[in-house]
Amino acid sequence: AQTIHQWPVAEIKAVGSPLSLGCTIKGKSSPNLYWYWQATGGTLQQLFYSITVGQVESVVQLNLSASRPKDDQFILSTEKLLLSHSGFYLCAWGTGGDEQYFGPGTRLTVL
Amino acid sequence: QQQVRQSPQSLTVWEGETAILNCSYEDSTFNYFPWYQQFPGEGPALLISIRSVSDKKEDGRFTIFFNKREKKLSLHITDSQPGDSATYFCAATSGGNYKPTFGKGTSLVVHP
Repeated sequence: AQTIHQWPVAEIKAVGSPLSLGCTIKGKSSPNLYWYWQATGGTLQQLFYSITVGQVESVVQLNLSASRPKDDQFILSTEKLLLSHSGFYLCAWGTGGDEQYFGPGTRLTVL
Repeated sequence: QQQVRQSPQSLTVWEGETAILNCSYEDSTFNYFPWYQQFPGEGPALLISIRSVSDKKEDGRFTIFFNKREKKLSLHITDSQPGDSATYFCAATSGGNYKPTFGKGTSLVVHP
């Protein structure tokens, strides 16, 4: 069975500080990987997707970047956090262009 | 431009009743429609999905009804249980484009 792990579970960071969030998928070879952002009580906004190692496509510009250093790993980062970056970050995986399965998420608070 | 609309924004039903959640879309190229269930503090879970070649999909107490001509679909939850209390998101995508569009969600509360 496939498992998806996100780290950290929660972060409290200062405005202007750097950020790195991670996601690991186990039990699935060459998955499609996705990053989403969700404001409290809001909808899901896709940020990035990756079909293969080393290739990442940006969907929206939010002063964030993503990388896929390994087949089973997806990293979301920024060098300088903004207040607007606060929210719930979700990693998801899929096997094609359709079904997507979400991880448990990382709660980010920027002060 | 909001391409996927959900209604109502919130819904309250009693245990045992049928909850009906609505979704509509604008893009005629959308052909895959998943519904996700999200509990507070958790990631969304894929609940049930339908492709545009079908007009109905059933999985236990959850049924999707799909009307391609009107670009509408609905999720029916029969015999609603308090454990069904969650936010439900309708999404839509054109197969293979990797970028689903999500609605704003319907918050369902089931009272015992």
